[in-house]
Amino acid sequence: AQSVTQPDIHITVSEGASLELRCNYSYGATPYLFWYVQSPGQGLQLLLKYFSGDTLVQGIKGFEAEFKRSQSSFNLRKPSVHWSDAAEYFCAVGANSNYQLIWGAGTKLIIKP
Amino acid sequence: DSGVTQTPKHLITATGQRVTLRCSPRSGDLSVYWYQQSLDQGLQFLIHYYNGEERAKGNILERFSAQQFPDLHSELNLSSLELGDSALYFCASGDRTGTDTQYFGPGTRLTVL
Repeated sequence: AQSVTQPDIHITVSEGASLELRCNYSYGATPYLFWYVQSPGQGLQLLLKYFSGDTLVQGIKGFEAEFKRSQSSFNLRKPSVHWSDAAEYFCAVGANSNYQLIWGAGTKLIIKP
Repeated sequence: DSGVTQTPKHLITATGQRVTLRCSPRSGDLSVYWYQQSLDQGLQFLIHYYNGEERAKGNILERFSAQQFPDLHSELNLSSLELGDSALYFCASGDRTGTDTQYFGPGTRLTVL
């Protein structure tokens, strides 16, 4: 069965430090991969997506993610976090057979001043 | 701004009541997805409509129903409300590219007292 795992429920990072949020998926074919961000009380905003081609994908707000087929991973990175990056981050996989997304449980990012 | 609108923004009601949440997708999008997000359950997929037809059901209770109208707006009806139905309800608009990209509305916060 298709699944998405975000192993870290919470991550705390100092402002200005680098960030990597992990996402692993289980899916038979090449998936469509997404990262969304949700600020408190807000809707989910699309950060970036991967469909094919270059495995390093650039997104909004200075985020990037790398698709690694051999590791079934799609980790999100940012070289230097800002306090405004504090939010919950969701990884999702497109099942592309029925236009559904399989969602990870989310990782809450806490920024230390 | 994702281009997806949801009304109302907040809704407070009593147990046993019925409410209707409304969603208008982005211009040109044919798909509408409904999600429930609560603290204990996380983001739960409820139902998916495509061009007026139901495509998939997720963890949607029998007390809940939805429809998508010819103008593509959608309504989620919640009846016999219980305290546990208090949550954020999001709709998302799915684009036409077939890549499962979803754009989320700002959500409706439902409080059942």
